[in-house]
Formats: sequence, structure tokens, C-alpha cells
Amino acid sequence: EPEVTQTPSHQVTQMGQEVILRCVPISNHLYFYWYRQILGQKVEFLVSFYNNEISEKSEIFDDQFSVERPDGSNFTLKIRSTKLEDSAMYFCASSEGPTVYGYTFGSGTRLTVV
Amino acid sequence: ILNVEQSPQSLHVQEGDSTNFTCSFPSSNFYALHWYRWETAKSPEALFVMTLNGDEKKKGRISATLNTKEGYSYLYIKGSQPEDSATYLCASNFGNEKLTFGTGTRLTIIP
Repeated sequence: EPEVTQTPSHQVTQMGQEVILRCVPISNHLYFYWYRQILGQKVEFLVSFYNNEISEKSEIFDDQFSVERPDGSNFTLKIRSTKLEDSAMYFCASSEGPTVYGYTFGSGTRLTVV
Repeated sequence: ILNVEQSPQSLHVQEGDSTNFTCSFPSSNFYALHWYRWETAKSPEALFVMTLNGDEKKKGRISATLNTKEGYSYLYIKGSQPEDSATYLCASNFGNEKLTFGTGTRLTIIP
């Protein structure tokens, strides 16, 4: 069964450093998403991406965050200058269509900012 | 603020017993309700997406119902098995692409 692949599975970074989280969505999916879960909290939406542009973003997704689909297969989330509060599990997801289509999630990248 | 709530937070069920849990959401601007099953160290797996009031969906021993007028969905598991142990997440769309998640119900099946 097709799956969404995320790398790395775990990343430790120093505060202020840039990190890039990578995702390979399912090839025929058109919608891509990043979500995150801070330990003990709800899974929360960061950004959705369709047709090579951001279609929606949350208030969390400020200027420190960016997304890119550089080569038609990878989908990346960049955090320019990490803060301690960015420590979370970051999930990539993709879907065939919006809203009424189930998402396929990756297994996540655990980001620890020290 | 659009809030999705799930209850109970955790549940221990004897193997073979049936169980159910609840997701509640604001009924205004409702568009779709998703259920996901999330096993530890794995990715959340889509179970159901429901949109219409009165929708009922079934996948093996797991089924779900939707009441959009009163803003709730139930997930039922019949004849629980150890492999059903997981966190069950519900999430709702409210007319945009963002999914708003509940906190999840952590289900543990006792052999």
C-alpha cells in the first residue's frame, strides 16, 4: 500500500539553527499538509499546499516557517531559526482531494530543540 | 474558537467486549468528520470520513455514526481484540482545508 515517507525520524538541533524536515507524499495525491503535535497536546494544523502554493496556513506558521515542493516529489518544511517551543512531532500528510478525502499521514519527525 | 472534544481520554476494555467513544464538535460550519487510528510509533491511519447527517460507516468490527445537527460522532468497536489498542483521533473540517483534531481516546485492550 502506498505510504507517505518522512525523514529523519528524529532530529535534535540547537536553538537558533535551521532545520529542514522532508516528506515524500503519495505520488498521485494533490494536496499536502504539515501538522505537529507538541507532547501532551492536540495535533495542530500548520499549513496546506496545493498547486505549488500555500492554500492555507495557521497562526503558528509565521515567517520562521516555509514549505517547498522543490522537485515534484519531495515536500519540505523549513524552520529558519528554531525555538525551544518548536520541539514537537511533525507530521506530513497528503490526500487526493480536500476536506472530504482521508489523509495519508507519514510516521512523523520528532524534532527536539535544545 | 472551533473545538473538537473526545471522551473518554482513555479506556481499558477486556478482550472480546464491545466499546464506543465519542467525538463532539461545533455543528455550525461543519463540513466533514474524520476518524483516525494511531498506533504507537506508527502513522495515523484513516478509518472513516463522514459528511452527511445520519451517515454510518463500517470497516470490519469498527463502525461510526454521525449526527451533524447535535454535533457528535460515535466510534464503535465490536468484540475488541488486542490489535485494537491504539489512540483513536477524530478531526473535523469547518469549510476550509484545515483539520481540527480532538485530544484522542487511548484504548487499551486487556487480554
